[in-house]
Amino acid sequence: TQTVSQSDAHVTVFEGDSVELRCNYSYGGSIYLSWYIQHHGHGLQFLLKYYSGNPVVQGVNGFEAEFSKSDSSFHLRKASVHWSDSAVYFCAVSATGTYQRFGTGTKLQVVP
Amino acid sequence: EAGVTQSPRYAVLQEGQAVSFWCDPISGHDTLYWYQQPRDQGPQLLVYFRDEAVIDNSQLPSDRFSAVRPKGTNSTLKIQSAKQGDTATYLCASSLVGGSQNTLYFGAGTRLSVL
Repeated sequence: TQTVSQSDAHVTVFEGDSVELRCNYSYGGSIYLSWYIQHHGHGLQFLLKYYSGNPVVQGVNGFEAEFSKSDSSFHLRKASVHWSDSAVYFCAVSATGTYQRFGTGTKLQVVP
Repeated sequence: EAGVTQSPRYAVLQEGQAVSFWCDPISGHDTLYWYQQPRDQGPQLLVYFRDEAVIDNSQLPSDRFSAVRPKGTNSTLKIQSAKQGDTATYLCASSLVGGSQNTLYFGAGTRLSVL
């Protein structure tokens, strides 16, 4: 069974700062990893995903994530955040033929 | 292209009452998911379908919850006798061609409060 953990429940940064949101997973086989964003009162929206190839994947709105097999991680990064990036971010993991399992989420607050 | 549509947006019930949630996925998407999201937690799968077939309902409380997707398009999730512990947002998502690697498209959710 695949598991995913997001160690930071809350992250606060100033507008223009860089940010890294952490995601760690547990699974021994081929794995699919995704990040989603959820603004208050809305459903989740897809940001990016990784399965194979270049471990750094680019997503929408300037987000990128890097896969590390050695660290079992898939951290999300953005070089310069905007106040509109304030939201809850979810990491998701799945294996072939299984559904996506979500972490507990990290609430990002960007202070103007 | 229309997104995933859910209704109602909100529901407030007394314990023991029944409620149904409805989901219209993106046209052509063969896989439909129902997730339960308690407040300040991540979504947790209840059930998912490929076309009209249930693929996994192992986490659906079968004594009170049921879900159908009779024509492989729209889906209904029903709670027969709601409990306070069912208070959560119920999210519907769809994807194309199935498979865990595919992107999930979510609806806005139905926020349920059981008093």
